[in-house]
Amino acid sequence: GQQLNQSPQSMFIQEGEDVSMNCTSSSIFNTWLWYKQDPGEGPVLLIALYKAGELTSNGRLTAQFGITRKDSFLNISASIPSDVGIYFCAGRGGATNKLIFGTGTLLAVQP
Amino acid sequence: GAVVSQHPSWVICKSGTSVKIECRSLDFQATTMFWYRQFPKQSLMLMATSNEGSKATYEQGVEKDKFLINHASLTLSTLTVTSAHPEDSSFYICSARPDTSYNEQFFGPGTRLTVL
Repeated sequence: GQQLNQSPQSMFIQEGEDVSMNCTSSSIFNTWLWYKQDPGEGPVLLIALYKAGELTSNGRLTAQFGITRKDSFLNISASIPSDVGIYFCAGRGGATNKLIFGTGTLLAVQP
Repeated sequence: GAVVSQHPSWVICKSGTSVKIECRSLDFQATTMFWYRQFPKQSLMLMATSNEGSKATYEQGVEKDKFLINHASLTLSTLTVTSAHPEDSSFYICSARPDTSYNEQFFGPGTRLTVL
């Protein structure tokens, strides 16, 4: 199935550092969603973006819907150990309007 | 609000048997639900879209006769893995789209299936 290109694949950082990850697509999307998945659990929605150029924050998380509608980024500021997990972007658009997931970014935070 | 539950959370079965997984939207109605499969260290791959009152729509490469989907009500969809084999072992995750919020999609906690 179709997937979005997400980078980086993994990140190993110190507590307190800022983190940035992004997703790119060859297709235009109408919606970008960012999820976090802990081991053995389902994804939990972090931020939803519905308009090109939209910048939305949720606590220490900030995400933007790219102007071209083909990309999105997620920033996490002042990381803490509980930020550890896998972050997925997901985009929706096109004729099928199905939610397509990115390849994921594994985040490890060292206390 | 917007809670999706799955049952069971994990199941181990013998090869050749069938396994049913339930997905429920606890506090909202969902005409449309989705079933995903996730292999270790990989992303979620959409298997099928479940629609209440009509047949499910399967993604390319997913066998509809092997993965039976029944969307019995506006809050319940079931996935039955028929004649399971070891290669069907995976993490199955359902998702529900609230009828009142077309752009949102909430996920269940997943079901770990292990076929011996």
